[in-house]
Amino acid sequence: AQSVAQPEDQVNVAEGNPLTVKCTYSVSGNPYLFWYVQYPNRGLQFLLKYITGDNLVKGSYGFEAEFNKSQTSFHLKKPSALVSDSALYFCAVRPYQGGSSNTGKLIFGQGTTLQVKP
Amino acid sequence: KAGVTQTPRYLIKTRGQQVTLSCSPISGHRSVSWYQQTPGQGLQFLFEYFSETQRNKGNFPGRFSGRQFSNSRSEMNVSTLELGDSALYLCASSLDRGRKTAQFSYEQYFGPGTRLTVT
Repeated sequence: AQSVAQPEDQVNVAEGNPLTVKCTYSVSGNPYLFWYVQYPNRGLQFLLKYITGDNLVKGSYGFEAEFNKSQTSFHLKKPSALVSDSALYFCAVRPYQGGSSNTGKLIFGQGTTLQVKP
Repeated sequence: KAGVTQTPRYLIKTRGQQVTLSCSPISGHRSVSWYQQTPGQGLQFLFEYFSETQRNKGNFPGRFSGRQFSNSRSEMNVSTLELGDSALYLCASSLDRGRKTAQFSYEQYFGPGTRLTVT
């Protein structure tokens, strides 16, 4: 079965320090991987994606993520955290059906709350 | 471009009633997906529509249904509401031409959601 795991319910970081939010996945075929962020009472905002190519992908608001095929991981990182980064972060995988078809189904991890303290 | 819009934003219903939620995708987006978000189950895929056809379906009972119109707007309906249906319902759209082309984007853009409370 295809799945996504975010092993940490919460990550606490001091402002200015680097942050990492972890994600591992289990899929058949090549994974399409995504990170989204959710602020209170809001929908999800797209941060970045990995489809193919460079293992390090850069996204919005200074976030980046590293794809590691051997460890089946796609950790979200930021060199210097801001208090405004405090939110709920979701890792997601889009199952690949191959051929000319595609699917809009995203499988999400349980989410990690990031708390950045001043 | 305007983002994904969902109406209504908040809804309170009684057990046994039915409800219809609406989603307008980003202009030009043809794929619309629906998700249910609850504290216990997290984000779960309900279904996806593309060109007025249901392309994928999640593991939800038949009380949950949807449709898509020719302008790509989508509605989802929940009949015979149960207390457990209380959730944030999120709609997402993506630019999907149905095949891998330069106009295909893999990411989905989400609306603000409809908060449904069943009492």
